[in-house]
Amino acid sequence: DIQMTQSPSSLSASVGDRVTITCRASQSINNYLNWYQHKPGKAPKLLIYGASSLHSGVPSRFSGSGFGTDFTLTISSLQPEDFANYYCQQSYSSPRTFGPGTKVDVK
Amino acid sequence: EVQLVESGGGLVQPGGSLRLSCAASGFTFSNSEINWVRQAPGKGLEWISYIGSRESTTSYADSVKGRFTISRDNAKKSLYLQMDSLRAEDTAVYYCAKDADYGLISYFDYWGQGTLVTVS
Repeated sequence: DIQMTQSPSSLSASVGDRVTITCRASQSINNYLNWYQHKPGKAPKLLIYGASSLHSGVPSRFSGSGFGTDFTLTISSLQPEDFANYYCQQSYSSPRTFGPGTKVDVK
Repeated sequence: EVQLVESGGGLVQPGGSLRLSCAASGFTFSNSEINWVRQAPGKGLEWISYIGSRESTTSYADSVKGRFTISRDNAKKSLYLQMDSLRAEDTAVYYCAKDADYGLISYFDYWGQGTLVTVS
């Protein structure tokens, strides 16, 4: 199985901050990398697929980049509704494994 | 509007069984591939099962293989997860998630809000 890691595991930020989350795969996954946002008690939401493609309806302050083994999710200007957990997921091979998550909370 | 609504969770003793359901609306269910994903308390997301549009293709995570069975009823626009021989480590919120793809890249584009299964 492909192992996914994320850093940091948590971060504290303020509204308006630029936030960057890193995801690393244990082997090359080309651009088969997706990002999700998850708030407690809510349905997870797809943000980015294919490493850099924005899902329909997702605000443009979210962006993704990377190829191979190293990827980043960037929130250009953090908004109050963005405090949540973020997960990367590889879809290069089955099982489609997730990273352990990054919690973004209020500084 | 795409909606996925899970049900059937609850408290069950170790070794027991439970059947989860996921009711779908707002998209062509019969043409869609669907997954079950779970989140144990304080843990991250774990994919556990997949079913193709015509039920001929299924797959499972090693952690549930041989104990869980995924199925679907396209006429009822519903997905199911039969969980047998439940263990304490199966305690989690269970989500159904619709599969989508862009070329060869697959992703879960819509999810339900989940149903809690407690094995104790």
